[in-house]
Amino acid sequence: DAGITQSPRHKVTETGTPVTLRCHQTENHRYMYWYRQDPGHGLRLIHYSYGVKDTDKGEVSDGYSVSRSKTEDFLLTLESATSSQTSVYFCAISGLAGAYEQFFGPGTRLTVL
Amino acid sequence: SQQGEEDPQALSIQEGENATMNCSYKTSINNLQWYRQNSGRGLVHLILIRSNEREKHSGRLRVTLDTSKKSSSLLITASRAADTASYFCATAGSSGAGSYQLTFGKGTKLSVIP
Repeated sequence: DAGITQSPRHKVTETGTPVTLRCHQTENHRYMYWYRQDPGHGLRLIHYSYGVKDTDKGEVSDGYSVSRSKTEDFLLTLESATSSQTSVYFCAISGLAGAYEQFFGPGTRLTVL
Repeated sequence: SQQGEEDPQALSIQEGENATMNCSYKTSINNLQWYRQNSGRGLVHLILIRSNEREKHSGRLRVTLDTSKKSSSLLITASRAADTASYFCATAGSSGAGSYQLTFGKGTKLSVIP
């Protein structure tokens, strides 16, 4: 987990509220990713970034938006949280052309009531 | 949808035995990677094998790749209790957006009994 932090680490919120998760890296890596992990589904890609202000959708992007205004920060926003977004969210970074070794943060456990 | 699918879903062995996990995938790949996840933690990269490689070793880990069968295996030799974790394969596509992403399988949960 060195060089990657996620905040908050745990959050409980109510349906309909906006939620922002933050990923911060000190490795100066170009590529950053947001995944969600759910029992029976493994890890699924939500959004990724290939540079400042450059982002693209992943497999399960509906209901999520991202922003990257600085190399070190990648924000994931749930505009209006739903119970189906209860999950563990992981941020990952990669210094090479994206699809090489990724380094993962410690995760954020989000519960939407 | 998942690209990689691990088999078995769960595996329980005695300390000192070898553990073998398999991964199958569907489309052409640039590389295939294996990751470990300890309970409550993030994933940790173990090994990467490129599409033009057939076998790779790292310590007690041995990975094979058969692109004709679209499958890979991870062998952990002389297992230890500390190897207890979930193991995931991840594939990197060979073109387009897939070349910037990894697609993960659902994982194999390994339990090593002391």
